[in-house]
Amino acid sequence: AAGVIQSPRHLIKEKRETATLKCYPIPRHDTVYWYQQGPGQDPQFLISFYEKMQSDKGSIPDRFSAQQFSDYHSELNMSSLELGDSALYFCASSLASGRGRSYNEQFFGPGTRLTVL
Amino acid sequence: GQNIDQPTEMTATEGAIVQINCTYQTSGFNGLFWYQQHAGEAPTFLSYNVLDGLEEKGRFSSFLSRSKGYSYLLLKELQMKDSASYLCAVPQGGKLIFGQGTELSVKP
Repeated sequence: AAGVIQSPRHLIKEKRETATLKCYPIPRHDTVYWYQQGPGQDPQFLISFYEKMQSDKGSIPDRFSAQQFSDYHSELNMSSLELGDSALYFCASSLASGRGRSYNEQFFGPGTRLTVL
Repeated sequence: GQNIDQPTEMTATEGAIVQINCTYQTSGFNGLFWYQQHAGEAPTFLSYNVLDGLEEKGRFSSFLSRSKGYSYLLLKELQMKDSASYLCAVPQGGKLIFGQGTELSVKP
């Protein structure tokens, strides 16, 4: 079965550079989530999109932006990179959960490991 | 807001049974997820409980008590490959709020 695809898998950048992470959700999934996981930390929610519109926003720095395109893939753009941005960035996708319905499982991609030097 | 608490680490022996607890305090409740995460890899779904009781799935079972704000993940017949971090998570408006994870080490 098709899974969530993320690219690149590894990325090394210098401080103050920019980075773009890409996510291709499972076909027919309409919701995409971005999480950041620092070393030894649990995943922290950054932002999500439903049907190409931003649906929720978490602890995402103003230096980061994201969007979902017409083919449902999503990109996370990160500017003015800082050492503290070094982390694993996961994208997850799911079918949207409606009010009164149980929540649908989020399927996680393999992650992009970003290292900022 | 959400507050999720689970032990930081546990150690168990191959072939044994281990129970990983998770307590939560949430504003509204929409179920609880358990995920397994090996180091450097993506979290993978184990279970989702929305009603009280025990749900069994092979060697893994998950229990929920909504009145107590409590869940546990039970792993039977432990194998070395079960060494991983186990994360409980609650959905909030669709996104997942994770606990800090329990690092399980399975020893021979």
